[in-house]
Amino acid sequence: NAGVTQTPKFQVLKTGQSMTLQCAQDMNHNSMYWYRQDPGMGLRLIYYSASEGTTDKGEVPNGYNVSRLNKREFSLRLESAAPSQTSVYFCASSDTGLSNQPQHFGDGTRLSIL
Amino acid sequence: AQTVTQSQPEMSVQEAETVTLSCTYDTSESNYYLFWYKQPPSRQMILVIRQEAYKQQNATENRFSVNFQKAAKSFSLKISDSQLGDTAMYFCAFVGQGAQKLVFGQGTRLTINP
Repeated sequence: NAGVTQTPKFQVLKTGQSMTLQCAQDMNHNSMYWYRQDPGMGLRLIYYSASEGTTDKGEVPNGYNVSRLNKREFSLRLESAAPSQTSVYFCASSDTGLSNQPQHFGDGTRLSIL
Repeated sequence: AQTVTQSQPEMSVQEAETVTLSCTYDTSESNYYLFWYKQPPSRQMILVIRQEAYKQQNATENRFSVNFQKAAKSFSLKISDSQLGDTAMYFCAFVGQGAQKLVFGQGTRLTINP
């Protein structure tokens, strides 16, 4: 009963390094999302994918790229990491992307940029 | 743009007491959905309850219930007979009908004391 799986769980990078966060879901969901969580700010949407083959910007897309590799997988890439990207990153998925469908979240990736 | 505000950064109650968490939102839409998510120390985001704006009846899930006041744009969460396992961050979230993007509040840290 995995649900949404994120790897890695923790990562420390140096400024300027690149990294890809991986996310996979086994619920056959169409829509997938990437959020970042900063202290005192709740979760903010970085990118989302309404269906396989499509991606759209969220509230805070700058400095990130995404790839919807297939229906199961949605990756988030930091090309040149900056200290401002230190955060906890969550991947989520939902069945149809319709507003009333709850999103299912992974356990998060804690990323520190030095 | 929609905004969600949780005015109580932290709350603390004794086990078995009832506690109410506040949430207000701002939107010009008439149809939308509201959610409460729980984030325990394990970091996983767990859906607690959801409300559809066109339904006047307040949603309930066991010990959790909401007080949805559409005209006041208020969506509070009541936890009855609180338990130690209810200790967590609680996030209120909004999504407009047909929209993909969840908008989260800043969160309320709830501590249940023995």
